[in-house]
Amino acid sequence: ETGVTQTPRHLVMGMTNKKSLKCEQHLGHNAMYWYKQSAKKPLELMFVYNFKEQTENNSVPSRFSPECPNSSHLFLHLHTLQPEDSALYLCASSQGGDPLAGGAGELFFGEGSRLTVL
Amino acid sequence: GQNIDQPTEMTATEGAIVQINCTYQTSGFNGLFWYQQHAGEAPTFLSYNVLDGLEEKGRFSSFLSRSKGYSYLLLKELQMKDSASYLCAVTDSNYQLIWGAGTKLIIKP
Repeated sequence: ETGVTQTPRHLVMGMTNKKSLKCEQHLGHNAMYWYKQSAKKPLELMFVYNFKEQTENNSVPSRFSPECPNSSHLFLHLHTLQPEDSALYLCASSQGGDPLAGGAGELFFGEGSRLTVL
Repeated sequence: GQNIDQPTEMTATEGAIVQINCTYQTSGFNGLFWYQQHAGEAPTFLSYNVLDGLEEKGRFSSFLSRSKGYSYLLLKELQMKDSASYLCAVTDSNYQLIWGAGTKLIIKP
């Protein structure tokens, strides 16, 4: 138990479907992240929210839409995905804040949502 | 470009010692992390090095040489439960985390 919970753990969707992934952290952290993990590839950072403000969007296609209603919850809305989007989507949280002031810190990951796009 | 290199897969024997290497070329350096990820589970933090030298934590140790752009994770007295992927990640000058592709460690009895 890492203190970061992701649902659903597994999701199968067609290319025309709309679905959402949910992440909740119980650690009192201020930064939350979405990562994409594909086999034998480095983790790909998708989005970062620091104190509920989006601070990173690493050229992610618009078919992925993040939402951060508060510092404990993070969503990833999915629509008209492609088969190559099939992967493990990991949510993480960290202390956040300005790294120059000692913020950021280690990441605490959820167990991921395994997405298959047909 | 920025790059982290680590072996794709390693095999070791229960009770033995294994060293997993990580070399990096990044724009600046603000620390190096090692994470462990069991199959189907979340990556979990193992160690953080920002200064040169060896950090020991039980059976696991992590070493850093900033001048060589090199780190290793040393696992002693290997147990079957150590079978996992080990991820190396470096924080660059902009405090962005650059990840390696991970090393899958297989422990045999």
